[in-house]
Amino acid sequence: QVQLKESGPGLVQPSQTLSLTCTVAGFSLTSYNVHWVRQPPGKGLEWMGVIWNTGGTRYNSALKSRLSISKDTSKSQVFLKMNSLQTEDTATYYCSEGIAYWGQGVMVTVSS
Amino acid sequence: DIVMTQSPSSLAVSAGETVTINCKSSQSLFGSVRQKNYLAWYQQKPGQSPKLLIYLASTRESGVPDRFIGSGSGTDFTLTISSVQAEDLANYYCQQYYDTPYTFGAGTKLELK
Repeated sequence: QVQLKESGPGLVQPSQTLSLTCTVAGFSLTSYNVHWVRQPPGKGLEWMGVIWNTGGTRYNSALKSRLSISKDTSKSQVFLKMNSLQTEDTATYYCSEGIAYWGQGVMVTVSS
Repeated sequence: DIVMTQSPSSLAVSAGETVTINCKSSQSLFGSVRQKNYLAWYQQKPGQSPKLLIYLASTRESGVPDRFIGSGSGTDFTLTISSVQAEDLANYYCQQYYDTPYTFGAGTKLELK
């Protein structure tokens, strides 16, 4: 059974770095890709980036300078790091395996 | 980047009506190798993750009621919900996965009239 679960701090101070973890079950990160998508409160979905099964990455050009996605296949975990956070980065952050399987999301608030 | 233009942004319906949501991409989503359109439709209810309804433009995900119908090809796509039920009131998004970044439409809010 495919499962993904995001975890991380609920509150981050402006200018700090966000670190999130996506722990997966039911599939191997050596065979499947994992995407990160975020959604500001009351707004639409924004694709952030992907780490391919090969370990390569692609990022949304609007976030590329601040965003890094990595993984530890032995732990079935994918990591998102984004620096220089601002209030407009307040959102629910989701990880997904392609289009079919999504985590429950983690709400991150950027505030002092 | 491929731009996804979704319309309308909101739709007020009565139970039993048929509704249509449109999604237009700035370039073709048709892949010549598999001869498929890389377009997905999602339903999202408040406080929940997006739920996949349709993939490859017209293939219904397992367990999705057959009143949800995806159609279209190339750059123009449609999600039709026939005989809308109260449980269908939600936000709907299209997404292209033809090329990264895998962009989304802005969403359509389906509300009760």
